[in-house]
Amino acid sequence: NAGVMQNPRHLVRRRGQEARLRCSPMKGHSHVYWYRQLPEEGLKFMVYLQKENIIDESGMPKERFSAEFPKEGPSILRIQQVVRGDSAAYFCASSPSLSTGNEQFFGPGTRLTVL
Amino acid sequence: AQTVTQSQPEMSVQEAETVTLSCTYDTSESDYYLFWYKQPPSRQMILVIRQEAYKQQNATENRFSVNFQKAAKSFSLKISDSQLGDAAMYFCAYRTPSGAGSYQLTFGKGTKLSVIP
Repeated sequence: NAGVMQNPRHLVRRRGQEARLRCSPMKGHSHVYWYRQLPEEGLKFMVYLQKENIIDESGMPKERFSAEFPKEGPSILRIQQVVRGDSAAYFCASSPSLSTGNEQFFGPGTRLTVL
Repeated sequence: AQTVTQSQPEMSVQEAETVTLSCTYDTSESDYYLFWYKQPPSRQMILVIRQEAYKQQNATENRFSVNFQKAAKSFSLKISDSQLGDAAMYFCAYRTPSGAGSYQLTFGKGTKLSVIP
């Protein structure tokens, strides 16, 4: 049973370009979370999605950031017109449902570097 | 809003010895979950141990145990018989209970643990 997969593992973009980060949850998992980890910091929640729905985007910057989790295919975190401050590690986590105590399983992260 | 505080940016322990990492949190909820995650240099987040707030008994997983003090809002991690592979960043995390939001995890800033051979 493959774990949570994220790609690419490393992404380099120049200021003003777009970054697309992909996350494939574990098989049977329909809940996806995105977190951002700035250097020397803990992970910070960005957005929570179920298939075809954004449930909670309270941690997402209001501009340039968007997320989706289509019926088919991976979840995508999209950052438009990247700036140097977007450089961070972006982690995706998935869980099977919202049943009590369900663990979130993390992917290996995508490290975004903005030049 | 919930907050999680880890007051020890760095800790070190001799191999085979015991070390305790501290974590405090702030919440107005009575039922919630607490976690310790390990992040080795590979950056993969690995769940170490989980505690449910309604359970009085402290969770234990092999060499890892917690000291959960609900009234004090304290959740420390004890690592016994430390091994070189325990060297990593350790993050304490809080999660809201079922029916109270999106179940996002709130993390502390982490404690970097070094294990000295």
